[in-house]
Amino acid sequence: NAGVMQNPRHLVRRRGQEARLRCSPMKGHSHVYWYRQLPEEGLKFMVYLQKENIIDESGMPKERFSAEFPKEGPSILRIQQVVRGDSAAYFCASSPEADTQYFGPGTRLTVL
Amino acid sequence: KNEVEQSPQNLTAQEGEFITINCSYSVGISALHWLQQHPGGGIVSLFMLSSGKKKHGRLIATINIQEKHSSLHITASHPRDSAVYICAVLTGANSKLTFGKGITLSVRP
Repeated sequence: NAGVMQNPRHLVRRRGQEARLRCSPMKGHSHVYWYRQLPEEGLKFMVYLQKENIIDESGMPKERFSAEFPKEGPSILRIQQVVRGDSAAYFCASSPEADTQYFGPGTRLTVL
Repeated sequence: KNEVEQSPQNLTAQEGEFITINCSYSVGISALHWLQQHPGGGIVSLFMLSSGKKKHGRLIATINIQEKHSSLHITASHPRDSAVYICAVLTGANSKLTFGKGITLSVRP
């Protein structure tokens, strides 16, 4: 049973471009969480999704950020018009129910 | 005041020493995670516990719900234990995690 997969592992974007981060949960897991780790800061919750539904997006910035978890395929975290302050490590986690979460390896986004 | 506080902030130990990392929280929780992160690396969940004590190899985690406090103990520490240890609590109906800032542990040979 493969673990949580995230790709790309490293992503470089110039200011103003779009960043798409993908997360494939573990098999059988229907709950996906996205977290952001800014440099020298702790992890922060961004959004919680179940298949085709956003359950809690209270940690998402109001603009430029969106997330989806379609019926088929990975969950996508999308950042439009990236700025330098978006540079961070983005982790997703999945769980079969809303309890133990299994983390992916993260995507490290660098905005030039 | 952060909802999850960890102490000490940084910790250096000699190989073989017994290490304790503490976590206090101020909110109601359904469970608590201890996570490990190596520099530039991913996050590994070490324990999830809601009461009592759990043991895995050289690691022991305890939680006291009444006192809102948890500890992670490492016995016979080794340089490969050097990492950031993060305490995170599960809160609310949606079970989102709220994290402490993490403690950087360095174990010297």
